[in-house]
Amino acid sequence: EVQLLESGGGLVQPGGSLRLSCEASGFTFSTSGMTWVRQAPGKGLEWVSSIDDNPGRTYYADSVKGRFTISRDNSKNTLYLQMDSLRAEDTALYFCARGKWANELWGRGTLVTVSS
Amino acid sequence: EIVMTQSPATLSVFPGERATLSCRASQSIRTKLAWYQQRPGQAPRLLIYSASTRAAGIPARFSGSGSGTEFTLTISSLQSEDFAIYYCQQYNNWPPLTFGGGTKVEIK
Repeated sequence: EVQLLESGGGLVQPGGSLRLSCEASGFTFSTSGMTWVRQAPGKGLEWVSSIDDNPGRTYYADSVKGRFTISRDNSKNTLYLQMDSLRAEDTALYFCARGKWANELWGRGTLVTVSS
Repeated sequence: EIVMTQSPATLSVFPGERATLSCRASQSIRTKLAWYQQRPGQAPRLLIYSASTRAAGIPARFSGSGSGTEFTLTISSLQSEDFAIYYCQQYNNWPPLTFGGGTKVEIK
């Protein structure tokens, strides 16, 4: 089955860190660009970061640049988002998606809550 | 950064009626535009890319048009499952990729 499954979300204090994972199955992950998009509670969609298939050039929204790091392990068919120096405004449901734009495959999301 | 503006914010439509949603870009994005549908509690679903090409498995009642800065998503005859929030996304000038604020289509 073609799918993406996110994990790693949770409750973290401001200034803390989390690493999100997105496990891909049913398609050739190594030749797919990948993207993280987030959605704050009751709000719209916000692009966070994307990564090329190979050699893995990365792209970031200004709101997360310098704090978040996107990466991938093609041997494990897994996409990652390392999130450091978390802020309250990073609270959101984080989705991974296949492709860099016009994403036709999405995971169900993992919830990140930043609060003391 | 290209700003995407969707209108209206909310559209009230009777089932079976036609719905027309608009998306405007702050500068030309040629036809590098996608439309997504998001039902409550679900991930976004790609409907349209390249402004007018339906994604795989998307019913023909969904159609997209436009180029440059003005775009339209039309749902020809609304079904119960079409009541949702719709987002446009530009991918002509990026990063950043940018989404519109969304249009909620609700039952009248």
